[in-house]
Amino acid sequence: GAGVSQSPSNKVTEKGKDVELRCDPISGHTALYWYRQSLGQGLEFLIYFQGNSAPDKSGLPSDRFSAERTGGSVSTLTIQRTQQEDSAVYLCASSLGWVSGANVLTFGAGSRLTVL
Amino acid sequence: AQTVTQSQPEMSVQEAETVTLSCTYDTSESNYYLFWYKQPPSRQMILVIRQEAYKQQNATENRFSVNFQKAAKSFSLKISDSQLGDTAMYFCAFMKHQGADGLTFGKGTHLIIQP
Repeated sequence: GAGVSQSPSNKVTEKGKDVELRCDPISGHTALYWYRQSLGQGLEFLIYFQGNSAPDKSGLPSDRFSAERTGGSVSTLTIQRTQQEDSAVYLCASSLGWVSGANVLTFGAGSRLTVL
Repeated sequence: AQTVTQSQPEMSVQEAETVTLSCTYDTSESNYYLFWYKQPPSRQMILVIRQEAYKQQNATENRFSVNFQKAAKSFSLKISDSQLGDTAMYFCAFMKHQGADGLTFGKGTHLIIQP
């Protein structure tokens, strides 16, 4: 697609429910990143995919968070048993990776998650 | 680990004025990249300008320019002839060369352009 697409744009859920956030990167972008943006913590790196694999999952805040990427394209961030502190904007970005210079990330508009 | 510090939580200037946003960073890396991103109320992060650390020349993009001082680890953004549409959060960000963790962001500066 022309840009990075994220869905849903806004999600309100009850504490304890599971949520899935979807990211559709720019076509041909092999690298994909998830960040969390919250008022108290700023922008926090969560996970990075190169193709379908995530070399380092240590940025995920807890074992309630998981992410996968299939077909080198769409990625899903899943939060199980949501807690109020999970309320934040979840941003996805994609890039061509380290080719011909800087690795420039293009961001989506984010998914705002509110846990009641 | 890298850290990025933006010491100005909020700034306000009149339309058409010039404004400078500050950013300092700390790293032991010798090869890296620095970025300024803009985030308007729509939430979408938009790349404003980038700088390769190995380049001495300061990057420029139309009304936006940077003052990159590598020894001082400083990377300020200057916006000339500011416009109402420049109102947004501005984030300074660091990326190490070949790094797998993407960008390290500062806390941001909320820039308000007054008519």
